[in-house]
Amino acid sequence: DAGVTQSPTHLIKTRGQQVTLRCSPKSGHDTVSWYQQALGQGPQFIFQYYEEEERQRGNFPDRFSGHQFPNYSSELNVNALLLGDSALYLCASSLGRYNEQFFGPGTRLTVL
Amino acid sequence: GDSVTQMEGPVTLSEEAFLTINCTYTATGYPSLFWYVQYPGEGLQLLLKATKADDKGSNKGFEATYRKETTSFHLEKGSVQVSDSAVYFCALTPSPTGGFKTIFGAGTRLFVKA
Repeated sequence: DAGVTQSPTHLIKTRGQQVTLRCSPKSGHDTVSWYQQALGQGPQFIFQYYEEEERQRGNFPDRFSGHQFPNYSSELNVNALLLGDSALYLCASSLGRYNEQFFGPGTRLTVL
Repeated sequence: GDSVTQMEGPVTLSEEAFLTINCTYTATGYPSLFWYVQYPGEGLQLLLKATKADDKGSNKGFEATYRKETTSFHLEKGSVQVSDSAVYFCALTPSPTGGFKTIFGAGTRLFVKA
């Protein structure tokens, strides 16, 4: 049984560029949440997708957007990248919005 | 709003020493509480959890008890190993079923010396 998978593993971008990160949920899960973990800090909630809609959002600007596909996989898009967007981006999936989340290995984004 | 506060690190211990990492929380309602571990260069792994007051979560020799009266969820292990060196995160979810957004503490780095 495959767990949560994320791609790519690592990514390097320059300021002002746009980036797309991808997440496949654990088999049977229908809800995906995204988190940003800056170096030396705990993860911060970005948003949650359920039934292909954004259901809850943390304190992140509109440059951060997402999408959920009919197969429950999800993308996180970040526009106009800033140096401060450098972080580990974690995806978590669950069966339903209110059940236990399972985390993927993350995508490490470096913005130069 | 809901929050988690955990002791600052790093914590440095010798092998076989006793470990305590303090965690307190602020939340309305009946949150679920978690400890996650993150090894260097890796993602988060769930270490243990507790979903209601007085529950004890345990895994791999680690334990934590959900104390509603003191709003605490301290992590303990009787004898640490070098392989336990990692960053430990205390976390909560507002939902008693363990879901919705997870709120994390800042993390505590543990170094265990041989």
